[in-house]
Amino acid sequence: QQPVQSPQAVILREGEDAVINCSSSKALYSVHWYRQKHGEAPVFLMILLKGGEQKGHEKISASFNEKKQQSSLYLTASQLSYSGTYFCGTAVTNNFGNEKLTFGTGTRLTIIP
Amino acid sequence: DTGVSQNPRHKITKRGQNVTFRCDPISEHNRLYWYRQTLGQGPEFLTYFQNEAQLEKSRLLSDRFSAERPKGSFSTLEIQRTEQGDSAMYLCASSLTRAYRDPQETQYFGPGTRLLVL
Repeated sequence: QQPVQSPQAVILREGEDAVINCSSSKALYSVHWYRQKHGEAPVFLMILLKGGEQKGHEKISASFNEKKQQSSLYLTASQLSYSGTYFCGTAVTNNFGNEKLTFGTGTRLTIIP
Repeated sequence: DTGVSQNPRHKITKRGQNVTFRCDPISEHNRLYWYRQTLGQGPEFLTYFQNEAQLEKSRLLSDRFSAERPKGSFSTLEIQRTEQGDSAMYLCASSLTRAYRDPQETQYFGPGTRLLVL
């Protein structure tokens, strides 16, 4: 089951903030966030493990609510370079010991000057 | 820069033809993943290797698909008798893990091979 991301798309002016949500119906082991620009590879942003961990990366941070199986990505004071499609990739506990990721449908973020 | 590389970057083929893609992971990365991505969707898991062993395959991977990773280095993904529904971006990712279940495992993606089946 694919995680659900919201919103599907958002347009911001440079300097504004955004929140992207990722929800899963399964018990999650970890959540991985990626940004993909058109025609390019997904670029890793951060990983969150179960335990309600919140991580930060400059003006981009994320949280993981294990009880609700939800993760949120926070972008503050957005910059033009933040434009792209954001994907959450979720990993569930499995017997293979790998981080096979199930990705959401993405959130397209457009930053305008 | 020694990131993940994939070749070719683009491939146009006719229905029924066979195609093969190559992925060169980051040096010393022991895990290699293949994903498929269609327009407007997130990547979908296809298969993964731990060194040279293929340990998991998705149900999406029909009998027409085969992947190898000889010697645990580069990997190839072959699609036989291509169909129009195979048109997609094929992404490769690699990671380095030091334990069976490494909570910090991070996958680094290559630029992908875009396949168009006419």
